[in-house]
Amino acid sequence: DSGVTQTPKHLITATGQRVTLRCSPRSGDLSVYWYQQSLDQGLQFLIHYYNGEERAKGNILERFSAQQFPDLHSELNLSSLELGDSALYFCASSGGTDGDQPQHFGDGTRLSIL
Amino acid sequence: AQSVTQLDSQVPVFEEAPVELRCNYSSSVSVYLFWYVQYPNQGLQLLLKYLSGSTLVKGINGFEAEFNKSQTSFHLRKPSVHISDTAEYFCAVSRMDSSYKLIFGSGTRLLVRP
Repeated sequence: DSGVTQTPKHLITATGQRVTLRCSPRSGDLSVYWYQQSLDQGLQFLIHYYNGEERAKGNILERFSAQQFPDLHSELNLSSLELGDSALYFCASSGGTDGDQPQHFGDGTRLSIL
Repeated sequence: AQSVTQLDSQVPVFEEAPVELRCNYSSSVSVYLFWYVQYPNQGLQLLLKYLSGSTLVKGINGFEAEFNKSQTSFHLRKPSVHISDTAEYFCAVSRMDSSYKLIFGSGTRLLVRP
């Protein structure tokens, strides 16, 4: 058990809809990272938050947004969903912004767009 | 920009045989190096990391990896594999900057046969 909790585990929805994925980091971790894993793109970094502030952005679509709340949990919002958004979305947390603190991953949310 | 190459998409091996999973990276700046393992329907688990110092690093489950700066490689090895080692293995780098986001390779599926 990594200590990182992601909900829901599975999400099935239709094109054009909007969903919210939730992540609770390990106790005490200030950094939250979001990654997308798909068959064609592999594991891709989406966005990083540190203590409520956006720290870095990857190839995140404009239809996607995220935030980190004062209690340090994070949400990833995906809107105007397309078939190609079907993927496994991972959240990871670490103690800070130092690279020597490894990222610990949740079990992911599997998003299926019908 | 950084990139990670895992040349072998799948490595079949018999139980109790040694295995090496190859990883090469490209970066114009210093990076940290990681190996993660993903079991079916689970998140990523850290196997080992190289930050600095000794180029041979030992991780969990009997795995080890050797950092070779001149060849920009970070190959993962295990002297004797078990059926339970069957999983997907990802090599990753993080740039020493303000985010330390992970850049992943495409993964290598290790298939251990009895």
